[in-house]
Amino acid sequence: SYELTQPPSVSVSPRQTASITCSGDQLGKKYVSWYQQKPGQSPVLVIYQNNRRPSGIPERFSGSNSGNTATLTISGTQAIDEADYYCQAWDSSTLFVFGAGTKVTVL
Amino acid sequence: EVHLVESGGGLVQPGGSLRLSCAASGFTFGTYWMHWVRQAPGKGLVWVSRLRGDGRYILYADSVKGRFTVSRDNAKNTLYLQMDSLRPEDTAVYYCVREDDWTGDYWGRGTLVTVSS
Repeated sequence: SYELTQPPSVSVSPRQTASITCSGDQLGKKYVSWYQQKPGQSPVLVIYQNNRRPSGIPERFSGSNSGNTATLTISGTQAIDEADYYCQAWDSSTLFVFGAGTKVTVL
Repeated sequence: EVHLVESGGGLVQPGGSLRLSCAASGFTFGTYWMHWVRQAPGKGLVWVSRLRGDGRYILYADSVKGRFTVSRDNAKNTLYLQMDSLRPEDTAVYYCVREDDWTGDYWGRGTLVTVSS
């Protein structure tokens, strides 16, 4: 079965840039989405189709996907961005596969 | 505005059954693929099932195949998940998710299923 690997945690200072990676075999050939989940809340889509941002999601969230690695970048990180972030890959063979999640801490 | 509201969760004994519902509003329900995704306490997201808008194409994760049945009633704008032969490892919050543009664009608030004796 297809697997996605994320770092368990990422720490970032306020107003700095946080980068969260997601690795998988030939991931660059698949669509990747990213979800933000805060404690006690449902996941919220922040990036889809590798680099598209849903309406209402701040411009500081961006995504890329190439080779075996997708990256979610949070520029000018704010305290409200502290959350768990999950990548998800999609294609006809993998369907919805999630990474294990990355806890982003804003120090 | 899109709303997805799950219900039907609760405490059930191992080997028991439960039926979850997801009431959808704010969009043309019958034209969208829908998913169930679950999350065990303190754990990550796990995909469970996918169902086409007309209800004729269904996929399940291996972990629930043969035990769970997904269905929908487009006249009632409702998605269902019939869960049989429940196991302790099925304990989780179950989310109803709408699929659009190859992603899960809207998620419900979830309903908690606890399988325990």
